[in-house]
Amino acid sequence: DAKTTQPTSMDCAEGRAANLPCNHSTISGNEYVYWYRQIHSQGPQYIIHGLKNNETNEMASLIITEDRKSSTLILPHATLRDTAVYYCIVRAPNTNAGKSTFGDGTTLTVKP
Amino acid sequence: NAGVTQTPKFRVLKTGQSMTLLCAQDMNHEYMYWYRQDPGMGLRLIHYSVGEGTTAKGEVPDGYNVSRLKKQNFLLGLESAAPSQTSVYFCASTLSGSSYNEQFFGPGTRLTVL
Repeated sequence: DAKTTQPTSMDCAEGRAANLPCNHSTISGNEYVYWYRQIHSQGPQYIIHGLKNNETNEMASLIITEDRKSSTLILPHATLRDTAVYYCIVRAPNTNAGKSTFGDGTTLTVKP
Repeated sequence: NAGVTQTPKFRVLKTGQSMTLLCAQDMNHEYMYWYRQDPGMGLRLIHYSVGEGTTAKGEVPDGYNVSRLKKQNFLLGLESAAPSQTSVYFCASTLSGSSYNEQFFGPGTRLTVL
């Protein structure tokens, strides 16, 4: 699996959009980008994943650059409950999902 | 559906004691995993199972054993607990091993070894 690089921490004002970047410059053509988050003391929670097209679901949007070397997770209207550690993971199809590495992630703090 | 559940939620052991952590899922998932998470760090894979009756080592398997006698249950055992095993333990499951499948995580077990 390709390695990812994320900022250690970010702040966001409540009600504003939170944009969390992830660099994955060594990503292979068949590798997907996954995002999970971990709210304090809870198990990680799946958010969204994508290959090369932008994706949106009820939780967030995922923007992947054309060269696929980086991506941005967007929480359109951040709330205090979105304060969490956000993990960006890259892995290929048909690889054991559980063997993916959860790195240190980005600690997002949403402030009132 | 309860999803992924873990028992117990908290436990304190003395060095050398043994214990078993239970993970249960009601989603008919084939793959199950055990991770540990130390303070301020990411998850590290201990052991995993690709189906009933099968287990495999992950990144940090030493000091742990696992069993998957029933599809819905995945047990993690510590035969002789050590202070270095103080951590939060998370269980997860996926429908299969495919990269397309999201992982579902349990709420965690907080273990302290004195």
